[in-house]
Amino acid sequence: DTEVTQTPKHLVMGMTNKKSLKCEQHMGHRAMYWYKQKAKKPPELMFVYSYEKLSINESVPSRFSPECPNSSLLNLHLHALQPEDSALYLCASSQRAGTGVSTEAFFGQGTRLTVV
Amino acid sequence: AQKITQTQPGMFVQEKEAVTLDCTYDTSDQSYGLFWYKQPSSGEMIFLIYQGSYDEQNATEGRYSLNFQKARKSANLVISASQLGDSAMYFCAMREAFNDYKLSFGAGTTVTVRA
Repeated sequence: DTEVTQTPKHLVMGMTNKKSLKCEQHMGHRAMYWYKQKAKKPPELMFVYSYEKLSINESVPSRFSPECPNSSLLNLHLHALQPEDSALYLCASSQRAGTGVSTEAFFGQGTRLTVV
Repeated sequence: AQKITQTQPGMFVQEKEAVTLDCTYDTSDQSYGLFWYKQPSSGEMIFLIYQGSYDEQNATEGRYSLNFQKARKSANLVISASQLGDSAMYFCAMREAFNDYKLSFGAGTTVTVRA
């Protein structure tokens, strides 16, 4: 099983709403990532979790709040978002983080988020 | 500074022909890894091929091969015998120790395969 599953696939939310994105992997990977991708642009790293602890936060606004309840799950809690936060949010996992250049990252299909 | 440069925003290729996607990179690290990913319109990033900086042989995976020229700092992807399903955006990416092993992506190249 080399799958990273993200739910929901599509999400429309108002600027005052609170919602969560979910990501799950069962490959035994100990590193999980959130990326944000605008249309026709490369993914931008937001957060890295290594062994369920937040290891990298790329200066992401606090309206995005990540959570890693266990080694298989990664959530991204959203609150008071702006229309410019509309994007594809990709989750990824890899065997480890912070060690080794050959570590391949497996990506999910993403959640297409629209903030209205 | 841009670490990964993909100079071709879009390319058209005829079905069954080969296509080369350019990628140049910038690093002062001796140990680094280069990756190519495919992203169809569905959104998922699909890993295609990996080349390590110390690998002497060019990487190959099925119809994908990597033309690695270390001195020129280039890692071009060659897709042979293009299929309609190859139409997608392709990203070159690099992981290096100097950058906390984070994956840095190029701007991407959109490939459209014509029947």
